[in-house]
Amino acid sequence: GDSVTQMEGPVTLSEEAFLTINCTYTATGYPSLFWYVQYPGEGLQLLLKATKADDKGSNKGFEATYRKETTSFHLEKGSVQVSDSAVYFCALSPNQAGTALIFGKGTTLSVSS
Amino acid sequence: EAGVAQSPRYKIIEKRQSVAFWCNPISGHATLYWYQQILGQGPKLLIQFQNNGVVDDSQLPKDRFSAERLKGVDSTLKIQPAKLEDSAVYLCASSPPGEKLFFGSGTQLSVL
Repeated sequence: GDSVTQMEGPVTLSEEAFLTINCTYTATGYPSLFWYVQYPGEGLQLLLKATKADDKGSNKGFEATYRKETTSFHLEKGSVQVSDSAVYFCALSPNQAGTALIFGKGTTLSVSS
Repeated sequence: EAGVAQSPRYKIIEKRQSVAFWCNPISGHATLYWYQQILGQGPKLLIQFQNNGVVDDSQLPKDRFSAERLKGVDSTLKIQPAKLEDSAVYLCASSPPGEKLFFGSGTQLSVL
């Protein structure tokens, strides 16, 4: 069945460092891809999404490009801040409507000043 | 706008007891989801409602879990009897048709 695999954490970085969190997926058809973020004590929030191959999602300085040839959707940010410390989840939706999300296990990011 | 409301925030019970969680979605959102998030894992879909009808409950352990959506608005998820492995955060989410999901803060369940 469809699945998402994320790099294991925790990821520990200093402020202003470059961030990459790897995500690969297995799916039949043409899924939509998402990154969700969970800040301490808060609910999951959509960070960015891409609905077709070569689309780039971006928000708050984060970017991810839908790569069909490598079945990947890696999350990147050029300069992380302490406030980016959170758990990041890669997810896919097997259809284009963005429902019935399948999540990866999550990657914890800790940024120190 | 008001977000997805869930209660209680925390619940501690002993195994074999029953427990219920409540969710109030964002007004006007037709689709409602219950996810289970075990520590160290990503959320797993338990059940999806469209209005008050079930769209997908294939991963709901129906021998002990049940869920209903009252009049297509609020929803209740029940576990009876609880097992140790049910310890998790139970997340409710809602969405308008075909749009992104909005998540509540979850109910953290500990089964002792």
